[in-house]
Amino acid sequence: DTEVTQTPKHLVMGMTNKKSLKCEQHMGHRAMYWYKQKAKKPPELMFVYSYEKLSINESVPSRFSPECPNSSLLNLHLHALQPEDSALYLCASSQQGGDNSPLHFGNGTRLTVT
Amino acid sequence: QKEVEQNSGPLSVPEGAIASLNCTYSDRGSQSFFWYRQYSGKSPELIMSIYSNGDKEDGRFTAQLNKASQYVSLLIRDSQPSDSATYLCAVTSSGSARQLTFGSGTQLTVLP
Repeated sequence: DTEVTQTPKHLVMGMTNKKSLKCEQHMGHRAMYWYKQKAKKPPELMFVYSYEKLSINESVPSRFSPECPNSSLLNLHLHALQPEDSALYLCASSQQGGDNSPLHFGNGTRLTVT
Repeated sequence: QKEVEQNSGPLSVPEGAIASLNCTYSDRGSQSFFWYRQYSGKSPELIMSIYSNGDKEDGRFTAQLNKASQYVSLLIRDSQPSDSATYLCAVTSSGSARQLTFGSGTQLTVLP
């Protein structure tokens, strides 16, 4: 069982909708990540939070807005998405960020934009 | 651009055989190396971490690291059909950000 929990598991939204993806970890990790993964491709880094501060934004369009309310929670707010944004969105955590510890992934949210 | 290259496969092996998965990386300062297994439609699952040269064994899995050759591999002994998945090599970059770079993955099929 994963210790990084993502909700919802599946999400279908129209291009004018606003929705949020949620992620929670209970491992005491201080770094949390959002990745996007298209079919048959490796995960692509979107954002990194380290000690609740945004440390990396990989030039992600502003229609994706991350939020880290505390060290255990990570949200990704979605607005005015395009069909090409349909993908598996993965949350991950690691001990500190900027160290050599591995990432632990949640089960992902399968997003479809219609 | 830091790169991680994997033999793209697909790789098919018979049940009970040894599956060998290979990965090379371009960042000579990389210090941590990981293998993730990803079943179709699921999220990546960490199966091995390796930080120093040599072999590291965990059950049927052995990771091998050669920093001089910038090469890391994963051997799966006594392969089972349940090992059929995509295996992602991931390498942490040098520098303060320590970002994780993934290879494109190798799809492994174990034939019963």
